[in-house]
Amino acid sequence: SAVISQKPSRDICQRGTSLTIQCQVDSQVTMMFWYRQQPGQSLTLIATANQGSEATYESGFVIDKFPISRPNLTFSTLTVSNMSPEDSSIYLCSASAGSATEAFFGQGTRLTVV
Amino acid sequence: TQLLEQSPQFLSIQEGENLTVYCNSSSVFSSLQWYRQEPGEGPVLLVTVVTGGEVKKLKRLTFQFGDARKDSSLHITAAQPGDTGLYLCAGYTGKLIFGQGTTLQVKP
Repeated sequence: SAVISQKPSRDICQRGTSLTIQCQVDSQVTMMFWYRQQPGQSLTLIATANQGSEATYESGFVIDKFPISRPNLTFSTLTVSNMSPEDSSIYLCSASAGSATEAFFGQGTRLTVV
Repeated sequence: TQLLEQSPQFLSIQEGENLTVYCNSSSVFSSLQWYRQEPGEGPVLLVTVVTGGEVKKLKRLTFQFGDARKDSSLHITAAQPGDTGLYLCAGYTGKLIFGQGTTLQVKP
């Protein structure tokens, strides 16, 4: 299994600013993902974080708005740029050891933009 | 776009009742996973089903994968208040695609 530490756990930010969320995994994993979730609702995949190369973004998400880094196999960051109230959500980091295997999740970052 | 439709979206039942949650898609998945999530936490895996027609049991929970690997169901027998939470199905196609989720409330 993998333990994922995500920080910050929550933040309240002013519109127009940016927030970087960090995700640290306690073991080397093949795949890392970033999701967004409204409370009580499902998860929407933002992007796959690729080690040493640009992230792969899902439809509706762009690099300028959600730049992602993954400098090694155990660490990734997601930045929410130029925030607006519509960006208020829970952001979750996920990691798995390989294809079709269990995905482990961090506790999430609850972001409120005012 | 591959979609997973989950039903019902909300379910409120009394302790001791049985329930079934469905997860349907028009797409074929190489595997399908069920997760449970509590408030303030990330989803936690309950089970992975891989083979069409597969049935897996986890105590009072029974999971079934459709023969065509397009749908799945989760059946809970004699639900308890501790079963309360958000249940999510997720299909794997190179990445995990999640259904809309089912919020289950079990009243004592």
